[in-house]
Amino acid sequence: TQLLEQSPQFLSIQEGENLTVYCNSSSVFSSLQWYRQEPGEGPVLLVTVVTGGEVKKLKRLTFQFGDARKDSSLHITAAQPGDTGLYLCAGVRTGTASKLTFGTGTRLQVTL
Amino acid sequence: GAGVSQSPSNKVTEKGKDVELRCDPISGHTALYWYRQSLGQGLEFLIYFQGNSAPDKSGLPSDRFSAERTGGSVSTLTIQRTQQEDSAVYLCASSLGRQLPPHTFGSGTRLTVV
Repeated sequence: TQLLEQSPQFLSIQEGENLTVYCNSSSVFSSLQWYRQEPGEGPVLLVTVVTGGEVKKLKRLTFQFGDARKDSSLHITAAQPGDTGLYLCAGVRTGTASKLTFGTGTRLQVTL
Repeated sequence: GAGVSQSPSNKVTEKGKDVELRCDPISGHTALYWYRQSLGQGLEFLIYFQGNSAPDKSGLPSDRFSAERTGGSVSTLTIQRTQQEDSAVYLCASSLGRQLPPHTFGSGTRLTVV
């Protein structure tokens, strides 16, 4: 059973388009992080959200943590080829500060 | 060092052999984590170290898997009697403390058991 479900699994879009990736769970998380991973590399942290309802912006990326801290979304505006990669959400479950529970991943390809 | 270093980057081994994977975390990071990434399974937690002790080893899949950390720094993940299902990318990450990641990940070791 996967605690964090991401959708969609795959996304192929053209440069300039907007997209949203969703990360959903039935469990409550004390915090949630988004990572991007490129082939042959480890995941690289994009953002951490801690407070329910929190919205963070990182240039063209907007991250939101659900009010109940069970879900999150990543919105990319005007996607560029450099955004291509595997996007992973990861949460710290309440009471388990030692490890991250990762989502199933969304593979994004942005073409010219 | 500047980042988390893992070695080897690739390892091909025969079924039944033992392998050792090494992780050198960022200097000063007291927390160290091992994860496994395989097709269809995503990223799975294996073990967490705080200093040299492992308060959470709940993700180790079997007693063939063990890990140690010495000097609060380098960690070694050992897989004994490797099986084909052990084929995966093994990722190490470190962070400043136990309270809250973020994790800084290494580039991983790609293990292939043939």
